[in-house]
Amino acid sequence: DQQVKQNSPSLSVQEGRISILNCDYTNSMFDYFLWYKKYPAEGPTFLISISSIKDKNEDGRFTVFLNKSAKHLSLHIVPSQPGDSAVYFCAASASYAGGTSYGKLTFGQGTILTVHP
Amino acid sequence: DAMVIQNPRYQVTQFGKPVTLSCSQTLNHNVMYWYQQKSSQAPKLLFHYYDKDFNNEADTPDNFQSRRPNTSFCFLDIRSPGLGDAAMYLCATSGSRKNIQYFGAGTRLSVL
Repeated sequence: DQQVKQNSPSLSVQEGRISILNCDYTNSMFDYFLWYKKYPAEGPTFLISISSIKDKNEDGRFTVFLNKSAKHLSLHIVPSQPGDSAVYFCAASASYAGGTSYGKLTFGQGTILTVHP
Repeated sequence: DAMVIQNPRYQVTQFGKPVTLSCSQTLNHNVMYWYQQKSSQAPKLLFHYYDKDFNNEADTPDNFQSRRPNTSFCFLDIRSPGLGDAAMYLCATSGSRKNIQYFGAGTRLSVL
């Protein structure tokens, strides 16, 4: 039972254009969502996050949109740069769990983004 | 720079031969996590430590154990590795912002 899904294994975009990465979740208790970026031979690094009380969060070229009714979030990168080429993971957590489960993340399987010069 | 360091980066072991992977952190975070990631799959949480409290995921095989002797170090022990245990193992930490985890570069385990 995969609670967080990234249905596109890969995405190819031209430099300067918009990249849109999508993520769907099934657990309605999830209330905090994150995007991580992973380069080869490195660990995932935190990119941007959003709480369920918001529907949009922006940080420079990166914007995350959350649609709670559809249980869907997306990451927009504008403009895309070749250095953005990496694997992007969507993750979700449920702060209701409390105690020692607080902060536990459930990850999607990742989307490989390639930005061509 | 404060960081999460995993050693070794690559580990080759024989079928059934115990192996230990290590993780250290200079972030002084109270929570440490171990994930297993197989090719093209999502990282899967094996267990985590909240300070000294050990929390095992329900579906983590008994073959996997962990130790956290102090705040800075955490070890993953695989008692009898099988071919299916070949994977990338990721260590992560979190602190005051518990939803945000900081990852090491991982250890890629091969089982021959």
